[in-house]
Amino acid sequence: AQSVTQLDSQVPVFEEAPVELRCNYSSSVSVYLFWYVQYPNQGLQLLLKYLSGSTLVKGINGFEAEFNKSQTSFHLRKPSVHISDTAEYFCAVSDPSNTGNQFYFGTGTSLTVIP
Amino acid sequence: NAGVTQTPKFRILKIGQSMTLQCTQDMNHNYMYWYRQDPGMGLKLIYYSVGAGITDKGEVPNGYNVSRSTTEDFPLRLELAAPSQTSVYFCASRSPGTGGNTIYFGEGSWLTVV
Repeated sequence: AQSVTQLDSQVPVFEEAPVELRCNYSSSVSVYLFWYVQYPNQGLQLLLKYLSGSTLVKGINGFEAEFNKSQTSFHLRKPSVHISDTAEYFCAVSDPSNTGNQFYFGTGTSLTVIP
Repeated sequence: NAGVTQTPKFRILKIGQSMTLQCTQDMNHNYMYWYRQDPGMGLKLIYYSVGAGITDKGEVPNGYNVSRSTTEDFPLRLELAAPSQTSVYFCASRSPGTGGNTIYFGEGSWLTVV
């Protein structure tokens, strides 16, 4: 089974500063990669995903992530954060099997944007 | 756009009581999931289903039961509630495939067992 590591449990950043949220996964075999965002008291919603092709993936709200196969990483970045980006961010990995049970989530990173 | 709908949103249970968390989706997704979310622990899979009549255990199934009589509905039953089941529960669904399809989540159910 895959495992997903989000090393930073909390990331405070000032408004309009850049941010990077780190995600590493355990396997070097072919995988699909996702970032989800959870705003307070809400469910998770998809920010972006990597299935194949260009290693730089752009998502909603100005976020992007870069897939690095050699380092088994999928870090999330935003060049300038807003107060409204304050949320919990989850990295997830899916393997290409079709068993229905192939999603693995990290423990989340709480991003706090400071005015 | 309804998507994945969970009820109730909030519930307080006494130790030993039972209850059912309801989940329905209107996207005709074959795959459905129940997760629990505890602070600092991320999402843990409780049960999942790949279609009507088919369910399987996830990572933390003890103390829970599920059924899948229709494509749309996937209720989660808590029998003999315990304080350890205090958590936020999320139902989710996706269309089948080789893992690249997005999972869609409900808004969550906050459960407290006292």
